[in-house]
Amino acid sequence: GEDVEQSLFLSVREGDSSVINCTYTDSSSTYLYWYKQEPGAGLQLLTYIFSNMDMKQDQRLTVLLNKKDKHLSLRIADTQTGDSAIYFCAEMPLSGGYNKLIFGAGTRLAVHP
Amino acid sequence: GAGVSQSPSNKVTEKGKDVELRCDPISGHTALYWYRQSLGQGLEFLIYFQGNSAPDKSGLPSDRFSAERTGGSVSTLTIQRTQQEDSAVYLCASSLAGGVSRYNSPLHFGNGTRLTVT
Repeated sequence: GEDVEQSLFLSVREGDSSVINCTYTDSSSTYLYWYKQEPGAGLQLLTYIFSNMDMKQDQRLTVLLNKKDKHLSLRIADTQTGDSAIYFCAEMPLSGGYNKLIFGAGTRLAVHP
Repeated sequence: GAGVSQSPSNKVTEKGKDVELRCDPISGHTALYWYRQSLGQGLEFLIYFQGNSAPDKSGLPSDRFSAERTGGSVSTLTIQRTQQEDSAVYLCASSLAGGVSRYNSPLHFGNGTRLTVT
């Protein structure tokens, strides 16, 4: 089946690292994505990782993928108040043959001084 | 450049009325999606258009929901006889390609239409 799960809330102190976790169910998913949603806005693609990779780093963002456990994480180094948003994990299953992203419920990241 | 544009940004309607939500995708994007975001829930896939192919309507929750895409560009999502449970943010997204090229074509989202049914 298709299901993506995330914890709903994370609170961190400014300057600390944030780690947002996600589990997915469809092993056929070739790409996995992280999107960011700021208040009143649509979703913005942050980064994505191909399933044959274990890690991808992009400036302050590090994505780790454990394909065996179907576990994906997003680490934000030196978290800033501007990072406060909802972060969505998404998978794109191969089944169906079309471009349908399956999203998690989103993790609300709150950054406090 | 211009992103995905949705209108209206907010819509309040009475239960039982019909509503139309509009999406202008990024020019040249052949794939267009509608998602629904309810409070505290993830994004629920509604419908997907790809070029001239028949749309994938598998996510539409009931026959009160329909969508069309005219000329391969603008799309309209119509909800007939609205119910309170239809209250949500309706998000439209487009991507450059679907099919085998889909993985290299991330979805670009509009800011959504917040629908409130009273």
